[in-house]
Amino acid sequence: DTEVTQTPKHLVMGMTNKKSLKCEQHMGHRAMYWYKQKAKKPPELMFVYSYEKLSINESVPSRFSPECPNSSLLNLHLHALQPEDSALYLCASRSQGPADTQYFGPGTRLTVL
Amino acid sequence: AQSVTQLGSHVSVSEGALVLLRCNYSSSVPPYLFWYVQYPNQGLQLLLKYTTGATLVKGINGFEAEFKKSETSFHLTKPSAHMSDAAEYFCARGTNAGKSTFGDGTTLTVKP
Repeated sequence: DTEVTQTPKHLVMGMTNKKSLKCEQHMGHRAMYWYKQKAKKPPELMFVYSYEKLSINESVPSRFSPECPNSSLLNLHLHALQPEDSALYLCASRSQGPADTQYFGPGTRLTVL
Repeated sequence: AQSVTQLGSHVSVSEGALVLLRCNYSSSVPPYLFWYVQYPNQGLQLLLKYTTGATLVKGINGFEAEFKKSETSFHLTKPSAHMSDAAEYFCARGTNAGKSTFGDGTTLTVKP
């Protein structure tokens, strides 16, 4: 099974709402990633978890809060977002090192009103 | 900074024609290089990757790429384009820090 799942597929939220994005993989991968992708642009790295610990935060605003409850799950908590945060949010996982394949989920299409 | 450059943001070919998508990297050390495809409103799917060894890498859907150290290139090719190949293609490199650096992407259009 080489699948990364993400829920929900679509999310519409107001600027005062609190919501969460979920990501799950059962490949035993120890590195998990959150990316933000705007239309016609490459994915932008937001966070990296390695062995369930946050290893990279690409200076992401605090209104985005990641969480890794266990080695299979990754959450992204959203609060007080801005309309410019509307994007496709991609989760990915990788086995270990930089030569290993990164597997991407289908993404959550987020719209902030 | 280590980077990846994709030459040509849009490439249009006729069905059955050769597909050539260009990628150059800048690095002082041998890179780990990847090509991904992304269909509308979907995640990225790995087409192929180069780590070490054979410089001609074969991937899924009939794609292949050749790692040329002397030219710092990793161009993606397919002998005969199919309508289903129309998508966004990203070249990327992996770093020892666990990050991936992506090129800006190339939109491939396939004309009937």
